[in-house]
Amino acid sequence: SQQGEEDPQALSIQEGENATMNCSYKTSINNLQWYRQNSGRGLVHLILIRSNEREKHSGRLRVTLDTSKKSSSLLITASRAADTASYFCATDGLRGSYIPTFGRGTSLIVHP
Amino acid sequence: KAGVTQTPRYLIKTRGQQVTLSCSPISGHRSVSWYQQTPGQGLQFLFEYFSETQRNKGNFPGRFSGRQFSNSRSEMNVSTLELGDSALYLCASSLTSGNTGELFFGEGSRLTVL
Repeated sequence: SQQGEEDPQALSIQEGENATMNCSYKTSINNLQWYRQNSGRGLVHLILIRSNEREKHSGRLRVTLDTSKKSSSLLITASRAADTASYFCATDGLRGSYIPTFGRGTSLIVHP
Repeated sequence: KAGVTQTPRYLIKTRGQQVTLSCSPISGHRSVSWYQQTPGQGLQFLFEYFSETQRNKGNFPGRFSGRQFSNSRSEMNVSTLELGDSALYLCASSLTSGNTGELFFGEGSRLTVL
């Protein structure tokens, strides 16, 4: 079973636009991570946000965390065609485990 | 520093056979986790090894097993393959056990069961 679920499942935008994807989870967490996966490749870590943090930035990425709503969002500003990939959130806490469990991902397509 | 290396990258097996996949973590990383990725189920956690001990296990049948060696390299084995085992198997390493930080993933081993 999934702890985190991303929304939307798919997102298609034009280069230069912002892309926002959301992650909702079920149980309390210690931290939440976002990963990116290019087609058929391994996942690459983007950012980690701890449960006592509300917002974090890394380059064109902005992540927010709302523990009261059990949700997080990933914002990619000024998107580029190279941002085309699947994006996953990973959370711990399911059944008390520290193991990161991943959602099904948001597939982002950025059109040049 | 070399990344996580998984071998083989691609393999084709038939039902009933068994397969062994290998993962070499980043030097110094003692935790190795395995995930199965399929279009229908997404990323599913298989197991995690730390210092040669299985620390956590996902909800997979006993046909799925693994081990870790003293040099932190890990192998996973799937016996009596079924069509549904076709998937991308991803290995990830980290410095410590559990979700205390970033996971570093390999490129995966894509298994096709015919």
